[in-house]
Amino acid sequence: TQLLEQSPQFLSIQEGENLTVYCNSSSVFSSLQWYRQEPGEGPVLLVTVVTGGEVKKLKRLTFQFGDARKDSSLHITAAQPGDTGLYLCAGGSGAGSYQLTFGKGTKLSVIP
Amino acid sequence: KAGVTQTPRYLIKTRGQQVTLSCSPISGHRSVSWYQQTPGQGLQFLFEYFSETQRNKGNFPGRFSGRQFSNSRSEMNVSTLELGDSALYLCASSRGGLNTEAFFGQGTRLTVV
Repeated sequence: TQLLEQSPQFLSIQEGENLTVYCNSSSVFSSLQWYRQEPGEGPVLLVTVVTGGEVKKLKRLTFQFGDARKDSSLHITAAQPGDTGLYLCAGGSGAGSYQLTFGKGTKLSVIP
Repeated sequence: KAGVTQTPRYLIKTRGQQVTLSCSPISGHRSVSWYQQTPGQGLQFLFEYFSETQRNKGNFPGRFSGRQFSNSRSEMNVSTLELGDSALYLCASSRGGLNTEAFFGQGTRLTVV
């Protein structure tokens, strides 16, 4: 069974601070996707990384896929209240099918 | 471009009843996956359909079933509802190949009383 461990589970920071969320597994994934979810809504895709060592930037968000494709990180620079939400990492796998394995998520609160 | 549409948004059912949830994927997407989200377990994979065929199934009892139609719309059914089935049910749409991106609907909040 493939598992993804996310840390930290909860994060409360002041506006303007930087933060990093980690996503780790003992399994290799073919891709890693990051989502943000608001309460009562579906997850919204932020980015997909597929190559080991890949780094992608989305404004103040930087995503990295580990060289061995077992881990990933999300770094937010100068966090804003609008960044508040549940951040989920999801590993893609499955030969001949499509399945995402999700971490439990990191609940981020950015205090103005 | 229309997103993923799930209906209904909210549902309240009694133990023992059955329920059917619907998902319309993004136009052109042939893969529909279903996930159950609860506070304790997070998002768990239920099953995936591609071109009307179930390609993969998660570790859920047989009370959970699904199907996909020729227009790629999908339904999932839960029979003999239990209190523990209360959850947010999410549908994800994708092109279906490895490493393709999955886009989620807003979900159906099911409450079993």
